[in-house]
Amino acid sequence: AQSVTQLDSHVSVSEGTPVLLRCNYSSSYSPSLFWYVQHPNKGLQLLLKYTSAATLVKGINGFEAEFKKSETSFHLTKPSAHMSDAAEYFCVVSVGGGSYIPTFGRGTSLIVHP
Amino acid sequence: GAVVSQHPSWVICKSGTSVKIECRSLDFQATTMFWYRQFPKQSLMLMATSNEGSKATYEQGVEKDKFLINHASLTLSTLTVTSAHPEDSSFYICSARGLRGHSYEQYFGPGTRLTVT
Repeated sequence: AQSVTQLDSHVSVSEGTPVLLRCNYSSSYSPSLFWYVQHPNKGLQLLLKYTSAATLVKGINGFEAEFKKSETSFHLTKPSAHMSDAAEYFCVVSVGGGSYIPTFGRGTSLIVHP
Repeated sequence: GAVVSQHPSWVICKSGTSVKIECRSLDFQATTMFWYRQFPKQSLMLMATSNEGSKATYEQGVEKDKFLINHASLTLSTLTVTSAHPEDSSFYICSARGLRGHSYEQYFGPGTRLTVT
């Protein structure tokens, strides 16, 4: 079984300040982990993914995430928020021990204040 | 560029009619396709999983007779919402998984917004 928990439904930051979106997972097998972003009324865009290579994963638009097995976490960070980062962010886990069915977290809404 | 397309991107239909949504993998063969539904300001909920040439596996609570899924080829899956009602209005997203290059990858389509009046 697999599951993913996004600890915050909303995160509010000021433009230029760091962003931290938290994600914890549960998996019986070695997981693949992803972060997707969804802007209003748009589809999903892949930010980055972890598939058992380097634990620090760099993605697009300055985002990165670190896989910490001991903490079962895969938090998303960015050093400096831009207004254009305001969107919904989803953490996703996929496990090969089953049928690779991606399981989505509930989402975190990132609000960026000027 | 996009590797999974959906058509149409949005559709409005009258209550009682049926709507077909297409999902295509553009440059790889999708051995497995997934269909998700997303309600406003909520996460994506898996509706069904389909493997090419076999019947779809539906998640609990999803009516298989209402949401017909066909995965007839390695590049095309369709979702047909039969006898649509206003409560079927939602954002439907497909995902395709298959061998692309030297590894198995999974990609999401851009979504289809269905409004039933």
